[in-house]
Amino acid sequence: GQQLNQSPQSMFIQEGEDVSMNCTSSSIFNTWLWYKQDPGEGPVLLIALYKAGELTSNGRLTAQFGITRKDSFLNISASIPSDVGIYFCAGQPYGPYDKVIFGPGTSLSVIP
Amino acid sequence: DSGVTQTPKHLITATGQRVTLRCSPRSGDLSVYWYQQSLDQGLQFLIQYYNGEERAKGNILERFSAQQFPDLHSELNLSSLELGDSALYFCASSVEGSGSLIDTQYFGPGTRLTVL
Repeated sequence: GQQLNQSPQSMFIQEGEDVSMNCTSSSIFNTWLWYKQDPGEGPVLLIALYKAGELTSNGRLTAQFGITRKDSFLNISASIPSDVGIYFCAGQPYGPYDKVIFGPGTSLSVIP
Repeated sequence: DSGVTQTPKHLITATGQRVTLRCSPRSGDLSVYWYQQSLDQGLQFLIQYYNGEERAKGNILERFSAQQFPDLHSELNLSSLELGDSALYFCASSVEGSGSLIDTQYFGPGTRLTVL
């Protein structure tokens, strides 16, 4: 079935550093979503991408919808301690009424 | 606060038992989704309802069932519980559930189920 892969699986960075993570699939997705999950909480939507090549920002976060429709990237600039959490990519396969598929997540730790 | 509420927050029960998890979607959202998140499986889609009707089914076991009521709240019923059913169960809601441009999912805080 359709699966999403995320890399890296986990990251340990210094406060102030920039972060890059990506999400890939072997099949095409129509929509890419990035969520952040804090410990003990539900995922919170950060950015939604709807067109191939689209680049969207939300504060210090920037995400891109890959032109092949098979990948997406999330960048966080000037990381701060509250960026700690698990970042999930999610994709909606091409076509209406498709369920959203989640990647396994990238765990981010920020060292003050 | 996403506007999606889930009760209870924590649930501890024994194997073989049956439990019901409840979800109230954001005001105006017609679609409800249920997800299971366990350490070894990640976030897995279980089932989706739209305006009271089942719309999509994912990896939901036969021991599990769900429904969406006329007031749009939803319940997830888990029966004959096994140790492996211990997980976080999230509910999410969206406006339409049709995959349109505005239709993104907002998650509740989850119910942590522990089966002993």
